[in-house]
Amino acid sequence: NAGVTQTPKFQVLKTGQSMTLQCAQDMNHEYMSWYRQDPGMGLRLIHYSVGAGITDQGEVPNGYNVSRSTTEDFPLRLLSAAPSQTSVYFCASSPLSKGKIHEQYFGPGTRLTVT
Amino acid sequence: KNEVEQSPQNLTAQEGEFITINCSYSVGISALHWLQQHPGGGIVSLFMLSSGKKKHGRLIATINIQEKHSSLHITASHPRDSAVYICAVSPPITGTASKLTFGTGTRLQVTL
Repeated sequence: NAGVTQTPKFQVLKTGQSMTLQCAQDMNHEYMSWYRQDPGMGLRLIHYSVGAGITDQGEVPNGYNVSRSTTEDFPLRLLSAAPSQTSVYFCASSPLSKGKIHEQYFGPGTRLTVT
Repeated sequence: KNEVEQSPQNLTAQEGEFITINCSYSVGISALHWLQQHPGGGIVSLFMLSSGKKKHGRLIATINIQEKHSSLHITASHPRDSAVYICAVSPPITGTASKLTFGTGTRLQVTL
C-alpha cells in the first residue's frame, strides 16, 4: 500500500492564483481530512469528510473548498490564493467505525508559498 | 488558552538521557494520540491511548484521565529521536471522533 499520498510536494503561487492540492489514499478509509501547519501553532483542521459525497468545515475553512467524489481522493482547492495561506498542508485518513477510535495516517505534506 | 498544552516547547538532551514530554488537555476526550514529525518530514502516529500505559521499544506513553494529563517518555535517547513530538486528542465518542485537536508540539534535539 502507498498509504496517503499528496501532490505536489512544493508549490509557489502568486496572490490571486488558484490551485488544487491532491490527496489520495489506498486503504479504503472513510474519514479524510486536511490540516494546515503554521509555525508556533498546532495543526488546524480545514475541512474533513466522513465518506464519498459528504464533507464538512473544520476550524479554518475560509478560502478553501473540498469535494469527495470517491473514497480514495480528497482534493483541496485554493480559490484565490493569499499570502496568509502560506503554510504546510497535510492530508490524513483513518477508518471510521461507530464507538471506536482509530489512529490517523498522514500524507507527506505540501509546502505552499504564496507571494 | 489552548485546549491541548504541551511542555516543554523545546528540549535538548544528550544521548542516553531519559526524556519526558508532557501534555495536558482541558476538554473531554475519547483518546489521546502521540505523533512524531521529523524535520522536513511527514507525521507518524506513535501511540493512541485512552487509559493506562503503552510501550513500544524505547517509547512509553501514559495517561491519567482524572488529571487530564499524558506523558511521553523516551528511554536511552538517541540522535535519531530528534523530532517534533505532537500530542493530539480525539473528542468524545458521540461526536466525530476522528476530529483531532492538536498541541503545538515539543521540539526535541538529542546530541552525541
